[in-house]
Amino acid sequence: AQTVTQSQPEMSVQEAETVTLSCTYDTSESDYYLFWYKQPPSRQMILVIRQEAYKQQNATENRFSVNFQKAAKSFSLKISDSQLGDAAMYFCAYRLYTGKLIFGQGTTLQVKP
Amino acid sequence: DSGVTQTPKHLITATGQRVTLRCSPRSGDLSVYWYQQSLDQGLQFLIQYYNGEERAKGNILERFSAQQFPDLHSELNLSSLELGDSALYFCASRGGNTEAFFGQGTRLTVV
Repeated sequence: AQTVTQSQPEMSVQEAETVTLSCTYDTSESDYYLFWYKQPPSRQMILVIRQEAYKQQNATENRFSVNFQKAAKSFSLKISDSQLGDAAMYFCAYRLYTGKLIFGQGTTLQVKP
Repeated sequence: DSGVTQTPKHLITATGQRVTLRCSPRSGDLSVYWYQQSLDQGLQFLIQYYNGEERAKGNILERFSAQQFPDLHSELNLSSLELGDSALYFCASRGGNTEAFFGQGTRLTVV
């Protein structure tokens, strides 16, 4: 069965600095999708970035980028130039072929001014 | 705005009661997924519907049931509610693209 693990319950970063959130997963599939979702205090689930496993190039969305290591089954999120609005809980998720998402336990990110 | 609408936003009810949560997916999306998020935890998959038919089930309690109607909206029915059922319930919809879009959730409080 597929599992997703986020080993950092909490992280903090100084405004304008860079932070990396870790995620590892386990699967026997070769083709799949990985996502990072942001959940601010409003509780809305917001898609931050996605990675298709068959693509070797790491995905990038403005200040957000991933380090996808398929062999190591690692999928970390790097946030550059952190802003106060980045403070939220971040979830790593693995998508099965059915579309079902398996989520990690989340990492709470605090941004200090 | 994700285009997925969930009602109600908040619900407070007593133990033993029954409630219905409603989800309207994005226009054209045939798949609807329901997730449960207990306090400060990750989201747990409950059930998936595709074009009116149940496609996959997660760790959904027997007291819970769902359905998807011909107009593609979905309802999640929770009965014989217990204090531990208090959680945020999310609906997500997905079309032919790769990511799911989430509604704003229904916060259920059982007292």
